[in-house]
Amino acid sequence: NAGVTQTPKFQVLKTGQSMTLQCAQDMNHEYMSWYRQDPGMGLRLIHYSVGAGITDQGEVPNGYNVSRSTTEDFPLRLLSAAPSQTSVYFCASSYWTNGEAFFGQGTRLTVV
Amino acid sequence: QQQVKQSPQSLIVQKGGISIINCAYENTAFDYFPWYQQFPGKGPALLIAIRPDVSEKKEGRFTISFNKSAKQFSLHIMDSQPGDSATYFCAVPVNYGGSQGNLIFGKGTKLSVKP
Repeated sequence: NAGVTQTPKFQVLKTGQSMTLQCAQDMNHEYMSWYRQDPGMGLRLIHYSVGAGITDQGEVPNGYNVSRSTTEDFPLRLLSAAPSQTSVYFCASSYWTNGEAFFGQGTRLTVV
Repeated sequence: QQQVKQSPQSLIVQKGGISIINCAYENTAFDYFPWYQQFPGKGPALLIAIRPDVSEKKEGRFTISFNKSAKQFSLHIMDSQPGDSATYFCAVPVNYGGSQGNLIFGKGTKLSVKP
């Protein structure tokens, strides 16, 4: 049982480049979310999805896009990377918002 | 606007001592208050959570105490061990957009247990 799988684990981008962070879960969870973790800032919610075809914004959505075409996958797209997006990104899934959230191992992104 | 305030930022405790971490919130979509534990290089993992029907929940050495009127809850780690050294996050379900309750996290507490 893989749980929540994130790829890649590490990535270096140049300012202005775009990329997609992948997230997949095999627990048939409806609710999925993306967080970014910065030193001293905790985990901040970027976007979330309550099911296939339904996404919405969280606390810090600017500069990021998401889509949810299947229950399993919830990719996060950086449209034009900026140094301020240097962070560790975590994907999470849960049966619903009032249940245990399972986190991936994270993607460490550096934008130079 | 800081919806979830967690304190202290860091905590050093001797082995066998009690670690106490506090969390205060402004609003919540519903009464479900979890604590997550994160080790370096790993994603957070659920440690313990409390629901509204009780004011305290204990699992082994870990206890959550909840004060609804004060909008506060805390994590107590009894007989702290070096293996408990990690970063701890409280979380509160908050409404964003059309969803009922997204977990919003505190800024974290880095706990170091000295042998």
